[in-house]
Amino acid sequence: AQSVTQPDIHITVSEGASLELRCNYSYGATPYLFWYVQSPGQGLQLLLKYFSGDTLVQGIKGFEAEFKRSQSSFNLRKPSVHWSDAAEYFCAVGVPMFSGGYNKLIFGAGTRLAVHP
Amino acid sequence: SQTIHQWPATLVQPVGSPLSLECTVEGTSNPNLYWYRQAAGRGLQLLFYSVGIGQISSEVPQNLSASRPQDRQFILSSKKLLLSDSGFYLCAWSVSGNQPQHFGDGTRLSIL
Repeated sequence: AQSVTQPDIHITVSEGASLELRCNYSYGATPYLFWYVQSPGQGLQLLLKYFSGDTLVQGIKGFEAEFKRSQSSFNLRKPSVHWSDAAEYFCAVGVPMFSGGYNKLIFGAGTRLAVHP
Repeated sequence: SQTIHQWPATLVQPVGSPLSLECTVEGTSNPNLYWYRQAAGRGLQLLFYSVGIGQISSEVPQNLSASRPQDRQFILSSKKLLLSDSGFYLCAWSVSGNQPQHFGDGTRLSIL
């Protein structure tokens, strides 16, 4: 069965420090992978996506993620964290529900990021 | 550009009361539409999806139902709410094919 694991429930970093959020997935075929960010009480905003091609993908707000098939991972990184990055981050794998492309997202439980000034 | 609206933003309902949450999308035609529920401290669970008017698929058995009376309108309903229906409900849309889903701001539902 498809699944997504985000091993870190909470992470705290200092402003200006680098960040890496881990994501591991279980899926039998080539995955479509996503990272979303959720501010408190808000919906989810897409940060970046991986469909195919270059395994290092760039997203909004200075985030990037690297797809590593051998490790079944899609870790999110940012070189220098800003206080406004404090939020919850969700990794998701897209699973085709019917012909024509993916439609169902399997989400991890999320990683809550706190940023110290 | 496309936008998605959900309302209400928050809702407090007694056990056994009915529910109707509405989601509308603007700026696109024939979108795929989705309802998710997010429990506290957990990821999102897909409840329903729709690929067209009147076409609803349910992912998990539950006390809720969904309807799509118009192309860009998706409604989540219940005849009698349970305590376990509390949560944060998110609507999302996507175009068909390999495109990401875009989420509304959600409805926080509390059952008393």
